[in-house]
Amino acid sequence: GENVEQHPSTLSVQEGDSAVIKCTYSDSASNYFPWYKQELGKRPQLIIDIRSNVGEKKDQRIAVTLNKTAKHFSLHITETQPEDSAVYFCAASSVYAGGTSYGKLTFGQGTILTVHP
Amino acid sequence: DTEVTQTPKHLVMGMTNKKSLKCEQHMGHRAMYWYKQKAKKPPELMFVYSYEKLSINESVPSRFSPECPNSSLLNLHLHALQPEDSALYLCASSLPGLAARLKSTDTQYFGPGTRLTVL
Repeated sequence: GENVEQHPSTLSVQEGDSAVIKCTYSDSASNYFPWYKQELGKRPQLIIDIRSNVGEKKDQRIAVTLNKTAKHFSLHITETQPEDSAVYFCAASSVYAGGTSYGKLTFGQGTILTVHP
Repeated sequence: DTEVTQTPKHLVMGMTNKKSLKCEQHMGHRAMYWYKQKAKKPPELMFVYSYEKLSINESVPSRFSPECPNSSLLNLHLHALQPEDSALYLCASSLPGLAARLKSTDTQYFGPGTRLTVL
């Protein structure tokens, strides 16, 4: 099955700095890579995702890059703000593989991001 | 409506109780999921329903019994739980198969979760 490794497990930055979180995956059939942000006591919320036919995607201060050859993808947050503090999870999925009608997400272990004012 | 709702928000039960968790979505999604999440850990998949049929059971103990009565509702029936089953139980939904490919979206949307404590 798929295995997703996420690093670092904790990340502490000053407000305004950039933050980078990296994930590697094992299954070359994986084709969908979402990133979720989870604040304490809240639900995981999708912040950005990328599909295997795209190398990079950006949404305001957040960007994700994907290297299919190396099987790794990264989350980049620029101009960090205290409200970016949360746990971030990467995930990989071979969506609709084998004719299935659902996506089975495999999550990384999470990164606790702390942004200091 | 772009939300997945879950009830109750909190549940405390004894090991001999029977209780149910409820999840509802009105986004027309036809795939629904149950996850279990322990503190500071990622969500772990328990069950997947696709078109109201159980598609995945990740070797979950029989004290957890899922049910999908219609395309908008997902239940998780709990019986004879153990203290180690205490966790946040998350429901999620997504567009299945062809519909998602056509709309280029297969995002899983999570509900707020039920915080379960087993005494």
